[in-house]
Amino acid sequence: AQSVTQLDSQVPVFEEAPVELRCNYSSSVSVYLFWYVQYPNQGLQLLLKYLSGSTLVKGINGFEAEFNKSQTSFHLRKPSVHISDTAEYFCAVSVLRAYKLSFGAGTTVTVRA
Amino acid sequence: KAGVTQTPRYLIKTRGQQVTLSCSPISGHRSVSWYQQTPGQGLQFLFEYFSETQRNKGNFPGRFSGRQFSNSRSEMNVSTLELGDSALYLCASSVGSGLGYEQYFGPGTRLTVT
Repeated sequence: AQSVTQLDSQVPVFEEAPVELRCNYSSSVSVYLFWYVQYPNQGLQLLLKYLSGSTLVKGINGFEAEFNKSQTSFHLRKPSVHISDTAEYFCAVSVLRAYKLSFGAGTTVTVRA
Repeated sequence: KAGVTQTPRYLIKTRGQQVTLSCSPISGHRSVSWYQQTPGQGLQFLFEYFSETQRNKGNFPGRFSGRQFSNSRSEMNVSTLELGDSALYLCASSVGSGLGYEQYFGPGTRLTVT
């Protein structure tokens, strides 16, 4: 079975500062990794994904993540955040033919002016 | 392309009743998955359907069931509602095959059980 641990439940950050959200996963087989964002009263929106190939993945809205197999991590970063980045962020893992995503508990990012 | 749509968006039911939620996937997507989101348990997988067949199921009691129609639209049903079933129910669609399993989510149905 696969599992995901998001190491920070809440991350406060000032506008225009960088942010990093940490995600570790556990799996005995090769994984696919995803980051989703959820704004209040909305569904989940895909930010980026790692399927294979380059370990540095770029996504929408200036986000990027790096897959580190040896450390079983997939941390999300943004060099400069905006007020509009205030949301909950979820890391998720899947494997071939699992037909489901396993999510972490989520990280709430609050951006302050 | 239109996104994933879910109806209704909000629902209030009484303990013991049953409820049916509906999901229309993105055009061309043949896989539909359902997730339950609660503050205490987070996002939990309920089940996944592809071409009217259930391919995977999460650890939920038999009161939770689903189905998929030939046009890929899906419904989930919860019978004998309990207070703990209050949650945001999210539907996600995918092409259902190929590398990875990228899912696109709808806005959810907020179910409140009183």
